[in-house]
Amino acid sequence: KQEVTQIPAALSVPEGENLVLNCSFTDSAIYNLQWFRQDPGKGLTSLLLIQSSQREQTSGRLNASLDKSSGRSTLYIAASQPGDSATYLCATPGGGNTGKLIFGQGTTLQVKP
Amino acid sequence: EPEVTQTPSHQVTQMGQEVILRCVPISNHLYFYWYRQILGQKVEFLVSFYNNEISEKSEIFDDQFSVERPDGSNFTLKIRSTKLEDSAMYFCASTGTGGIYGYTFGSGTRLTVV
Repeated sequence: KQEVTQIPAALSVPEGENLVLNCSFTDSAIYNLQWFRQDPGKGLTSLLLIQSSQREQTSGRLNASLDKSSGRSTLYIAASQPGDSATYLCATPGGGNTGKLIFGQGTTLQVKP
Repeated sequence: EPEVTQTPSHQVTQMGQEVILRCVPISNHLYFYWYRQILGQKVEFLVSFYNNEISEKSEIFDDQFSVERPDGSNFTLKIRSTKLEDSAMYFCASTGTGGIYGYTFGSGTRLTVV
C-alpha cells in the first residue's frame, strides 16, 4: 500500500532564499508524481508532473526531481517570494488501475518579506 | 486552460440533511474522482468513476455517499443524512488518460454541517 510523507510540515524562510521541499513514498513502482499548491481554503493547483521515466521537470523558478530507487521527490523553489507562501502537496497514483491519488500531508511554506 | 468547475463553493447544512455537490469535469476526460480534506488533515480519496460506474471506493465512501453522472457534463456527489464529521473541503478531479498526464482539480466545495 502506497504511503506518501512530506517533511517538514512547516517551513519559514526569508524572501530570496532558495529552498527544497521533500516528498517520500514507500512503493517505488510509481508511474508519475505530481506537485500541487494549495492556498488557504482554496483548491489544488497543479505545479509540476514528473513521469517515472524522468529525473527532473522545470517550470519557471520551480524544479521537481524524482528518484524512484530511493522513494523520494524534491521540489526546489529558487529565489523565493512572499507570493510563494502556501501549502505544497505531492501526490502519486496509489496502485491498481483506477488512478486514485495518494497525497502527502503537505508542507506549509511561509516566505517573509 | 480547461478547468474543473465545482458548485457551490461553500455550503452550510443542518445535520441530517442531504446535500449534493456538483462538478463539471473537463469535457474530454474519462476518469472522475471525489476527494475530501478535513481541516488540517490530508487530502483523502473517496471514489473514482469511469465508464458510468464506480471503479473504486474508499472505506470512507459508505452507504451515506453516492455519485452520479446524470448527463454528459455533470458529476455529482450526494451525501445523505449529513453528520458533523462530514464537514470538510470536497474536491472533484478528472483526468483523460488514467492519470498518465496528471490530474486537474476543481477549486472545491467547503461543506459545513451544523
